[in-house]
Amino acid sequence: QSVLTQPPSVSGAPGQRVTISCTGSTSNIGADYDVHWYRQLPGTAPQLLIYGNNNRPSGVPDRFSASKSGSSASLAISGLQAEDEADYYCQSSDSSLGGNVVFGGGTKLTVL
Amino acid sequence: EVQLVESGGGLVRPGGSLRLSCAASDFALTTYHMNWVRQAPGKGPEWISYISSSGATIIYAESVKGRFTITRDSAKNSLYLQMNSLRVEDTAVYYCAREVGYDANANYHVYYDYWGRGTLVTVSS
Repeated sequence: QSVLTQPPSVSGAPGQRVTISCTGSTSNIGADYDVHWYRQLPGTAPQLLIYGNNNRPSGVPDRFSASKSGSSASLAISGLQAEDEADYYCQSSDSSLGGNVVFGGGTKLTVL
Repeated sequence: EVQLVESGGGLVRPGGSLRLSCAASDFALTTYHMNWVRQAPGKGPEWISYISSSGATIIYAESVKGRFTITRDSAKNSLYLQMNSLRVEDTAVYYCAREVGYDANANYHVYYDYWGRGTLVTVSS
């Protein structure tokens, strides 16, 4: 059972906008720890997608955005493309675990 | 280009041992905090171990404390994970990951900017 909760799956048609939620608690996201997002293509390592709640590393298109509010965060992908089909994970830190890193269980995005 | 390449995974019996390696290129391990993160089949990633850039601070997740040991060789620019007393539940892909940390809002925040491709560890009888 992951510390951060994500929906197991979301889907959308090409060109549409989808959002993926990440629900934490008062010891992680709600304790003002930043949220970071990763994308994982099949058979590959997770790749940093968003850091510091809403910052994109160079090379990540502005179709990807994220936000945080209270004990939750969300990732939004607009203008869906077939290559966006992947697993997405949120990550934060948790004060009840000594500030150690915690991940969500992941969300499988299917592009219809 | 920054690269992390893991090796050393394989099939091992419960109670057995394995030593994983992570070779880093294009940056020095002594300049970044490094971590091991594992991902069991069909699950989200799980952080398991950390070593500071100076090597002075080492931290383990409770799930591996007392069984796993993280080390590094600065001359070889390589990170290691010695895994003893392996259990079936240790079956996972093991990644080394480079850490970026920063202070904000009275907290210390961490994310991983580079990951290796991973090495599969299977613990089964």
